[in-house]
Amino acid sequence: GEDVEQSLFLSVREGDSSVINCTYTDSSSTYLYWYKQEPGAGLQLLTYIFSNMDMKQDQRLTVLLNKKDKHLSLRIADTQTGDSAIYFCAESTSGTYKYIFGTGTRLKVLA
Amino acid sequence: GAGVSQSPSNKVTEKGKDVELRCDPISGHTALYWYRQRLGQGLEFLIYFQGNSAPDKSGLPSDRFSAERTGESVSTLTIQRTQQEDSAVYLCASALAGGINEQFFGPGTRLTVL
Repeated sequence: GEDVEQSLFLSVREGDSSVINCTYTDSSSTYLYWYKQEPGAGLQLLTYIFSNMDMKQDQRLTVLLNKKDKHLSLRIADTQTGDSAIYFCAESTSGTYKYIFGTGTRLKVLA
Repeated sequence: GAGVSQSPSNKVTEKGKDVELRCDPISGHTALYWYRQRLGQGLEFLIYFQGNSAPDKSGLPSDRFSAERTGESVSTLTIQRTQQEDSAVYLCASALAGGINEQFFGPGTRLTVL
């Protein structure tokens, strides 16, 4: 079945860039998403990318998609302590409603 | 403009008891999802409701789990005869079907089964 994988932890210093990686298996994925979960809260959509794109930039966030390798990354520039959270990668296919979520990457930003 | 709300926020119960978790989706959202999030793990899909269509129950782990939704409003997830492995955070999300299908999540209910 479809699967989405992420590394579990990432630690960076404040002001550095963070790169969170994700791999997925479903070649029919249409949308790929990054959700953020802060402590004690539900998930919130950060950004998304269509599968026919290879890059999307939104302020401090850059999403890169390598469709051939089924690899998605999220780069956060100038990482701040407020960016400390769990980041989930997810994919869905157009015409369906199901998401497949990754296990989440816990980002810790050191002051 | 309230978001998705869930109640209770925390529930501690004894093994073997039944529990009922509630989700109030965003008004107008036709789609509603329930997920389970075990400690240190990703989101596990449980059930999906879309309008008046039959729900997709394919993620429910056992017949102890059931969910109802009244029209396009409140949903309840019921776990009967709770077991310790049911301990997790149960997340509800709602969405407008179509488009990028952004899901809006509630804060979750943390269930602890002693």
